[in-house]
Amino acid sequence: EPEVTQTPSHQVTQMGQEVILRCVPISNHLYFYWYRQILGQKVEFLVSFYNNEISEKSEIFDDQFSVERPDGSNFTLKIRSTKLEDSAMYFCASRRGLGTDTQYFGPGTRLTVL
Amino acid sequence: KNQVEQSPQSLIILEGKNCTLQCNYTVSPFSNLRWYKQDTGRGPVSLTIMTFSENTKSNGRYTATLDADTKQSSLHITASQLSDSASYICVAHYGNNRLAFGKGNQVVVIP
Repeated sequence: EPEVTQTPSHQVTQMGQEVILRCVPISNHLYFYWYRQILGQKVEFLVSFYNNEISEKSEIFDDQFSVERPDGSNFTLKIRSTKLEDSAMYFCASRRGLGTDTQYFGPGTRLTVL
Repeated sequence: KNQVEQSPQSLIILEGKNCTLQCNYTVSPFSNLRWYKQDTGRGPVSLTIMTFSENTKSNGRYTATLDADTKQSSLHITASQLSDSASYICVAHYGNNRLAFGKGNQVVVIP
């Protein structure tokens, strides 16, 4: 069964450094998402992406964050200058369409900012 | 404010027993409601989806209900197994493409 994959599984970085989290969505999906989950907290929406542009973003997704789909398969989340409070699990998700189409989540990348 | 509240926050049940998890949502305009299972350190996996007109949906030993009038949903787990130990997240879809996540019900099944 096709699945969303994410790399790396765990990223450790120093505060102020840039990180890029990578995702490979399911191949025939058209809508892509990033979420984060701080330890012990609920999953929070960051951004949705469709047709090579951001369709929605939350208040968390400030100028430090950016997303790209550099080729036909990868979907990346970049954090330009990481802060301690960026430490969280970051989940990528994709879905084929809207409405009742299921959103499939990747296994997540655990980001630790020191 | 678009939000989802779940209860109980956590519960421990004996293997083979049943349990029911509760979800209250306040989102607008409502699209559909899903329950996800999230194993520790993994991404959420969809269990059920219900639209406004659906009252109940089953997926194996999982049965979800939806009352769109009271904006409540429940997830019933029948004959629990050790592998059911996980966080169960209620997610309300609203608008064109937005999701509101609950904090999850942490279920621990003990032998």
